[in-house]
Amino acid sequence: ETGVTQTPRHLVMGMTNKKSLKCEQHLGHNAMYWYKQSAKKPLELMFVYSLEERVENNSVPSRFSPECPNSSHLFLHLHTLQPEDSALYLCASSQGDLRTYEQYFGPGTRLTVT
Amino acid sequence: GENVEQHPSTLSVQEGDSAVIKCTYSDSASNYFPWYKQELGKRPQLIIDIRSNVGEKKDQRIAVTLNKTAKHFSLHITETQPEDSAVYFCAARGSNYKLTFGKGTLLTVNP
Repeated sequence: ETGVTQTPRHLVMGMTNKKSLKCEQHLGHNAMYWYKQSAKKPLELMFVYSLEERVENNSVPSRFSPECPNSSHLFLHLHTLQPEDSALYLCASSQGDLRTYEQYFGPGTRLTVT
Repeated sequence: GENVEQHPSTLSVQEGDSAVIKCTYSDSASNYFPWYKQELGKRPQLIIDIRSNVGEKKDQRIAVTLNKTAKHFSLHITETQPEDSAVYFCAARGSNYKLTFGKGTLLTVNP
């Protein structure tokens, strides 16, 4: 797939594990986002990076730690997660002014915390 | 902050019929309203969007209407086909860059 890619696509981890989700965009965009998608709930914005600088941390627990080393890559580091953190984690990217351009989503990582 | 309500949560129509999904928002400063389609196991994809200076926008079988006074916007799909079956999400962007999403509508088009 091109555009926005995410790895891994599926992840099962125990509550004491440490893992990382990776997102890469091939669109030349300068903003990247992490969303959480849980069953029967709206998409929840977690983090926003613009020009590699975090501009939003939407009251997300510290067990989720984002990293944006450059405008093409975004990571979400996970540690000591809870079962309620099981969800689809979607990465998105956009170009230009954050207020005016559409967001392109990746395929997501299906996370299961056991 | 912004609050977006979406109805109905599920919608079943016969092939060829029209489908309408409605959303309301709370922030009067919201100025951008996209609609995303998410097929099972796939990523959300933008299908149409509308900005606050426009009341209606159409793209083939899909149209979106916006009523700023009432703070609601709707997605209209005409001549539905089985491949239109998916979850549809509305969203609203307020005075900042944040998109607030509705809970989604599962549309099933029966052949």
